[in-house]
Amino acid sequence: QKEVEQDPGPLSVPEGAIVSLNCTYSNSAFQYFMWYRQYSRKGPELLMYTYSSGNKEDGRFTAQVDKSSKYISLFIRDSQPSDSATYLCAMSEGSGTYKYIFGTGTRLKVLA
Amino acid sequence: NAGVTQTPKFRVLKTGQSMTLLCAQDMNHEYMYWYRQDPGMGLRLIHYSVGEGTTAKGEVPDGYNVSRLKKQNFLLGLESAAPSQTSVYFCAVTDSGPLRQYFGPGTRLTVL
Repeated sequence: QKEVEQDPGPLSVPEGAIVSLNCTYSNSAFQYFMWYRQYSRKGPELLMYTYSSGNKEDGRFTAQVDKSSKYISLFIRDSQPSDSATYLCAMSEGSGTYKYIFGTGTRLKVLA
Repeated sequence: NAGVTQTPKFRVLKTGQSMTLLCAQDMNHEYMYWYRQDPGMGLRLIHYSVGEGTTAKGEVPDGYNVSRLKKQNFLLGLESAAPSQTSVYFCAVTDSGPLRQYFGPGTRLTVL
């Protein structure tokens, strides 16, 4: 079993839809949770960052962490064609180790 | 302010040739990382550094060497390239407090 699981997609939605992207993990020591957006042939871009549990909102993006279920989510409201990209989740235990574990990424396509 | 830059952007090598990839940052962050990204495998950590003069092995270090002689630069070397090292290589840097990780644009390497 991988430490971080992420559905590879692809996920196709119409413009304006609410998108839900998810990752599950097995390591209860993870404390730092990140979402990255990666456009084709580009480097991953940090989108959302959350420490421990709870929700964080930034514009059309909301990140949720449920440590009891070992489950994190990224919601995109009013999705746009420019949101079409691969979304990667990443997690870290934090201090004492400086390593991040990445999901394999979910490909999202928003249709105009 | 360029953030994280990588040199070169593209490279084609023949089996057995050597090369060095350069990662440079102007963010003054302590931690630097080299990843490779392959289809279906996600991002895998090759080596990382928690400060000038230090390096450590990641998940897939075999066939690679690294050096961090200056804080702002992290070099990844391939001594004898193999076709299995065909990949996209990303450098990343992390701020030591919140552990947010930022990526460079990548180097696309093909080994024939």
